[in-house]
Amino acid sequence: DAGITQSPRHKVTETGTPVTLRCHQTENHRYMYWYRQDPGHGLRLIHYSYGVKDTDKGEVSDGYSVSRSKTEDFLLTLESATSSQTSVYFCAISEIVRKGGSLEQYFGPGTRLTVT
Amino acid sequence: RKEVEQDPGPFNVPEGATVAFNCTYSNSASQSFFWYRQDCRKEPKLLMSVYSSGNEDGRFTAQLNRASQYISLLIRDSKLSDSATYLCVVNDRGSTLGRLYFGRGTQLTVWP
Repeated sequence: DAGITQSPRHKVTETGTPVTLRCHQTENHRYMYWYRQDPGHGLRLIHYSYGVKDTDKGEVSDGYSVSRSKTEDFLLTLESATSSQTSVYFCAISEIVRKGGSLEQYFGPGTRLTVT
Repeated sequence: RKEVEQDPGPFNVPEGATVAFNCTYSNSASQSFFWYRQDCRKEPKLLMSVYSSGNEDGRFTAQLNRASQYISLLIRDSKLSDSATYLCVVNDRGSTLGRLYFGRGTQLTVWP
């Protein structure tokens, strides 16, 4: 299994509070991603990073920010949590092998976030 | 239009059965294709990549039809442990940054 951990694994928070989720990898992969997974929607990309301090928005980035100050850590912050952000959050990593075109992503165990 | 469309199922099959899942994708320029498996309340895990010529891994066979923009996964001799949700995944060819699009998944239950 890829060395990816997420913390916390479970969190309950109140509307309006800030929340930070952490993804940590030991694979030294360049690319990191944050997804959320909700019933009826599948996995949706929130933000991704293609290197230290290099990040970009995904398809559902509103209300979220990210930071990557080290290769191994990618943080997802909900500045002011809302009930619509109740979800399961997955981090993923990837190392693109250009010649082979390999783009597999490997996922962390997920964080279950409930906003009340 | 969704980037990746899958029949959500559920598929309920007896042990030993053969079952096939299909998926279609919208971006004709996509170059990389995968099947992931996700167990209940767990993270998605890569099951297999899908190559142009088709490929097999034990009881699992993946096929790609670029002309029809269609991917399939065949599971032979189903086991109870195959019960899971299967995600069809396609890369965003317009991006050099490894973005993938995930289908919503097809749920499989194998019963004894």
